Amino acid sequence: DGGITQSPKYLFRKEGQNVTLSCEQNLNHDAMYWYRQDPGQGLRLIYYSQIVNDFQKGDIAEGYSVSREKKESFPLTVTSAQKNPTAFYLCASRTSGQETQYFGPGTRLLVL
Amino acid sequence: GESVGLHLPTLSVQEGDNSIINCAYSNSASDYFIWYKQESGKGPQFIIDIRSNMDKRQGQRVTVLLNKTVKHLSLQIAATQPGDSAVYFCAESSSSYKLIFGSGTRLLVRP
Repeated sequence: DGGITQSPKYLFRKEGQNVTLSCEQNLNHDAMYWYRQDPGQGLRLIYYSQIVNDFQKGDIAEGYSVSREKKESFPLTVTSAQKNPTAFYLCASRTSGQETQYFGPGTRLLVL
Repeated sequence: GESVGLHLPTLSVQEGDNSIINCAYSNSASDYFIWYKQESGKGPQFIIDIRSNMDKRQGQRVTVLLNKTVKHLSLQIAATQPGDSAVYFCAESSSSYKLIFGSGTRLLVRP
């Protein structure tokens, strides 16, 4: 099966803890994205990466970090500096030269 | 079906009727537009896209209309089915790497 996978589906974070959300794609897409979605709202861009070993901040990068060591993987770490992390996190990817982004199934992060 | 703007977040239609979901975009330089469908607890699913050199594009049961004069985009769904119930987002792009999303419209299909 080709596509974008995100894990885990649900994640619980304790106060002061860093957690990492996984995003993997086997579509050979060059660019990958992380979005945050709050209830009843649209998607806001956290970070994006257009090529391996390079990434840029989006609109709401504070309290988050990413890495892009492999083309197929773009993990997102939600740090303890992110004071309101409860949200639905979506990963997307696209191929070079095309604007269409394709999304994974999402990870819901909850704070204990 | 009735048309609503994004300031009305829910559209309710009778099964079998046509649905029209509207979206106003802000950047006159945007040249690519896309509609996504998001079911509860899932990631957005691509429906249809359109470039600014077109004013209409049709897919299977869906049509996207673009009016650049008033910066307006609409999604028409023909013969709406219960499986069409979801939140629909429009997005615009003026560069190849970044999409700007609207806040979404919830479509409810009455049996």
